Amino acid sequence: AIQLTQSPSSLSASIGDRVTITCRASQGISSALAWYQQKPGKAPKVLISDASSLERGVPSRFSGSGSGTDFTLTISSLQPEDFATYYCQQFNSYPQVSFGQGTKLEIK
Amino acid sequence: QVQLVESGGGVVQPGRSLRISCAASGFTFSGYGMHWVRQAPGKGLEWVAFIWYDGSNQYYADSVKGRFTISRDNFKNTLYLQMNSLRAEDTAVYYCARARGVLDYWGQGTLVTVSS
Repeated sequence: AIQLTQSPSSLSASIGDRVTITCRASQGISSALAWYQQKPGKAPKVLISDASSLERGVPSRFSGSGSGTDFTLTISSLQPEDFATYYCQQFNSYPQVSFGQGTKLEIK
Repeated sequence: QVQLVESGGGVVQPGRSLRISCAASGFTFSGYGMHWVRQAPGKGLEWVAFIWYDGSNQYYADSVKGRFTISRDNFKNTLYLQMNSLRAEDTAVYYCARARGVLDYWGQGTLVTVSS
């Protein structure tokens, strides 16, 4: 099974900061990676598919990059509504997908 | 608009069974594969199962294989998860999600608590 490891597990940042979250796959997955945002008590929401494609309606301050085993999610200028937990998810072994352990983004 | 509404969660004793449902609307349900994903309290997301658009193939996480069964009724636009031999570690919010490579729409989740 493909394992995904996110770093850091938690992160404190301020409004306006640039933030980067990393996701590393245990084997190459091409660009078959998505990023999700989850707020407390809510379902996850997909932000980015195919490693770098912004989903419709997602603000342009979110961006994704990478291929193979190393991927990043970047938020260019943190807004109050961005404080949440972020998950990467691989679909290279579709339909048996897997998720990273999550990165909790908190206000400094 | 796409809507997925889970139901059927509750408290169940270890070793017992429970079936949860996911009612779909706002899209052609029979045209999409569907996932179940769960989240234990305070924990991350765990993929549980997937079913093809026509129900012809199913896939399971090792943690539930042989105990859980995913199915669907395309006439009723409903997805199911039959959970047998439940364990304390199955306690979680269960989400259904539409498959498009990514999981592009999710329900609000239904809580299943396994406890004596």
